Amino acid sequence: DAMVIQNPRYQVTQFGKPVTLSCSQTLNHNVMYWYQQKSSQAPKLLFHYYDKDFNNEADTPDNFQSRRPNTSFCFLDIRSPGLGDAAMYLCATKAGVSSYNEQFFGPGTRLTVL
Amino acid sequence: GQQLNQSPQSMFIQEGEDVSMNCTSSSIFNTWLWYKQDPGEGPVLLIALYKAGELTSNGRLTAQFGITRKDSFLNISASIPSDVGIYFCAGQLASGTYKYIFGTGTRLKVLA
Repeated sequence: DAMVIQNPRYQVTQFGKPVTLSCSQTLNHNVMYWYQQKSSQAPKLLFHYYDKDFNNEADTPDNFQSRRPNTSFCFLDIRSPGLGDAAMYLCATKAGVSSYNEQFFGPGTRLTVL
Repeated sequence: GQQLNQSPQSMFIQEGEDVSMNCTSSSIFNTWLWYKQDPGEGPVLLIALYKAGELTSNGRLTAQFGITRKDSFLNISASIPSDVGIYFCAGQLASGTYKYIFGTGTRLKVLA
């Protein structure tokens, strides 16, 4: 089935040690998003891509970077994770700009920072 | 960031009861999406709404796009234990961005 895949599902890193989370999609969607979610709060948008056009949220820390080498893959890089970066990271996709295109989420990656 | 007002924040109900939750805003939305999230998983899309006044069902779930385009409602009929989870609404602003504004979530617990 076409879907949004996130690897790994669980990631443990050390304070200050760079970590990369990955997302892939078989939906061929133009838009990909990265969200951070803490403690059953609502997902918080970090950035999104329309094709290769990158859009950073104003309050996303510089510590967070993203890459989208092709339509199918998108990566979240955390350059120097702090304890406060421990969270669920959700990748999502959307076909395009139309309001009739829905947003679909992956299963998430739970990041633990020691 | 901006969030939608979602209520109730949490609810305990008996199995078999009906459940209602809603999201309200001062902004106008083009699209409303309702998601359910289980612990440790990503949100799963339940229902999508595209037009003011639209009423859409998915099994025991029914959702409505408010006529003012500023609110939406989700009803679950005859709740069962597997309905437990957190329900989020998400609205896409009428300004036509790719971004969604999320509700604060409703945590549902069903007592067997």
